[in-house]
Amino acid sequence: GENVEQHPSTLSVQEGDSAVIKCTYSDSASNYFPWYKQELGKGSQLIIDIRSNVGEKKDQRIAVTLNKTAKHFSLHITETQPEDSAVYFCAAKGSSGSARQLTFGSGTQLTVLP
Amino acid sequence: DGGITQSPKYLFRKEGQNVTLSCEQNLNHDAMYWYRQDPGQGLRLIYYSQIVNDFQKGDIAEGYSVSREKKESFPLTVTSAQKNPTAFYLCASISQGYGNTEAFFGQGTRLTVV
Repeated sequence: GENVEQHPSTLSVQEGDSAVIKCTYSDSASNYFPWYKQELGKGSQLIIDIRSNVGEKKDQRIAVTLNKTAKHFSLHITETQPEDSAVYFCAAKGSSGSARQLTFGSGTQLTVLP
Repeated sequence: DGGITQSPKYLFRKEGQNVTLSCEQNLNHDAMYWYRQDPGQGLRLIYYSQIVNDFQKGDIAEGYSVSREKKESFPLTVTSAQKNPTAFYLCASISQGYGNTEAFFGQGTRLTVV
């Protein structure tokens, strides 16, 4: 089955700096890679996703890059703000059979220091 | 509005009791998932269902049971056999198509055993 590893587990940055979270996956058939933000007391929210036919996607201060050859993808947050503080999860989803389930990374606790 | 709804938001259970967590979606998604999150840890898959009347065990299914009698609903029962049920539970639904892939989470249920 799919295995997703996420690093780092905790990340602290100064307000205004950039934050990068990296994930690797094992199943080359995976074709969908979403990122979720989970704030304390709330459910997880999809913030950006990327499909395997695209190398990079950007939405305002958030961007995701995908390297299919190396089987890794990264979340980039620029100009970080205190409200960006949360737990971020990456995930990978296969395209067929048992690989269709969504496999999550272990999460990264991002803290933006004022 | 389309979405995924979990209820209740907070749930207290006495030791030895079974309790059922509700998850309903009106997104017409085929696949639904239950995850457990413990403090300082990532998401762990309990059960998932890719189609009505079918479901599969995830990584930590022991002490849990599910049903998928209709597409919109995927309730999770935490049985008395679950030794450490206090946790935050998240339900997700995902479209199964090979084109656009959507994944949404509910707001979560925090279960506490008293």
